[in-house]
Amino acid sequence: EAGVTQSPTHLIKTRGQQVTLRCSPISGHTSVYWYQQALGLGLQFLLWYDEGEERNRGNFPPRFSGRQFPNYSSELNVNALELEDSALYLCASSLLNSPLHFGNGTRLTVT
Amino acid sequence: GIQVEQSPPDLILQEGANSTLRCNFSDSVNNLQWFHQNPWGQLINLFYIPSGTKQNGRLSATTVATERYSLLYISSSQTTDSGVYFCAVLTGANSKLTFGKGITLSVRP
Repeated sequence: EAGVTQSPTHLIKTRGQQVTLRCSPISGHTSVYWYQQALGLGLQFLLWYDEGEERNRGNFPPRFSGRQFPNYSSELNVNALELEDSALYLCASSLLNSPLHFGNGTRLTVT
Repeated sequence: GIQVEQSPPDLILQEGANSTLRCNFSDSVNNLQWFHQNPWGQLINLFYIPSGTKQNGRLSATTVATERYSLLYISSSQTTDSGVYFCAVLTGANSKLTFGKGITLSVRP
């Protein structure tokens, strides 16, 4: 069984640019979660999608957005990038109220 | 929201030693998971343990839900056990997994 896959693995962007990160869940999983892990700040919850709908959102500005597609894959979009957006972005998938399984992450560097 | 506290924040062991990592949480939980984050950033599922005791090789975990804590035991530690260990809990209200700050484990040869 394939795990959660994320792309790209690494990304370098300039302040003010926009970025799209992608996540494919484990087959059969309907929930997708996004987390940000900035240096020294731990894992911060960003977004949760289930069955195509946004179910919950963390304490992040509106320039962080995303969506979930009918095949349950998901995108995370970040507009107007700032230096402090540099982080490891982790995607996880699960069935509702079941263990979360994480992908390997996308490491974003903003210069 | 729920608070998750892990202790100790840092741990240094000699290879072969045993250790206990603790996770306290402030409210009832539906789900508790332990993860190991390796130096490359990969988060590896160790245990899904909202209550009771589980064992997997040299690792075992116990959650006492009524007293709001969980323990992760590592026996005969190896250098490959190094990394950060996270406890994460999920409450019923909004199905958001809340992470503790992690325990950084260094196992020296």
